[in-house]
Amino acid sequence: NAGVTQTPKFQVLKTGQSMTLQCAQDMNHNSMYWYRQDPGMGLRLIYYSASEGTTDKGEVPNGYNVSRLNKREFSLRLESAAPSQTSVYFCASRRVTNVLWGNTDTQYFGPGTRLTVL
Amino acid sequence: DQQVKQNSPSLSVQEGRISILNCDYTNSMFDYFLWYKKYPAEGPTFLISISSIKDKNEDGRFTVFLNKSAKHLSLHIVPSQPGDSAVYFCAAVSQGAQKLVFGQGTRLTINP
Repeated sequence: NAGVTQTPKFQVLKTGQSMTLQCAQDMNHNSMYWYRQDPGMGLRLIYYSASEGTTDKGEVPNGYNVSRLNKREFSLRLESAAPSQTSVYFCASRRVTNVLWGNTDTQYFGPGTRLTVL
Repeated sequence: DQQVKQNSPSLSVQEGRISILNCDYTNSMFDYFLWYKKYPAEGPTFLISISSIKDKNEDGRFTVFLNKSAKHLSLHIVPSQPGDSAVYFCAAVSQGAQKLVFGQGTRLTINP
């Protein structure tokens, strides 16, 4: 049980290049998310997918596209990378459980992709 | 508009003492709150959560307190250990919503 995996771990791009960040989860979760983390900004949501076949914009979607390939996989694509997209990118999947004393709602994160755009 | 705020970017605490991390929120629709811990070069990991029907939740050395009237939550770590040195994020969500809203994070350093 690997949880949430992301590839690659590191990437350096030149301005204008494209790339796809891959994410997969083996926990059978319906919802998946892409975040970016920048110093002093916390985690900002780029896109999310509430279920297979659906995607929605988050707080900072400009310059990105996503694909929910199947229940397991959710990829993030940069069509024309810009220096402002230099960041650490995290993928997450979400588990919501109904327990007697109330729901629990938890997101599980991958190890991240550190992207530098020159 | 920052709906979840952690006003202290960093906190330094002596080993064995209590660490208190604070978080404020503005959206009264939030009804579930979480704390995540993040080590360098790793993804955030879930630490503890609390529903708005409670005002306290405890898990070992970690306790989260929720003050709904003040729209404030805090994480207490007692006693603090060197392995607790990390960045801590608070997050909030409202029932039925798909998106967590994160604070900016507080870097906790535990000094021996």
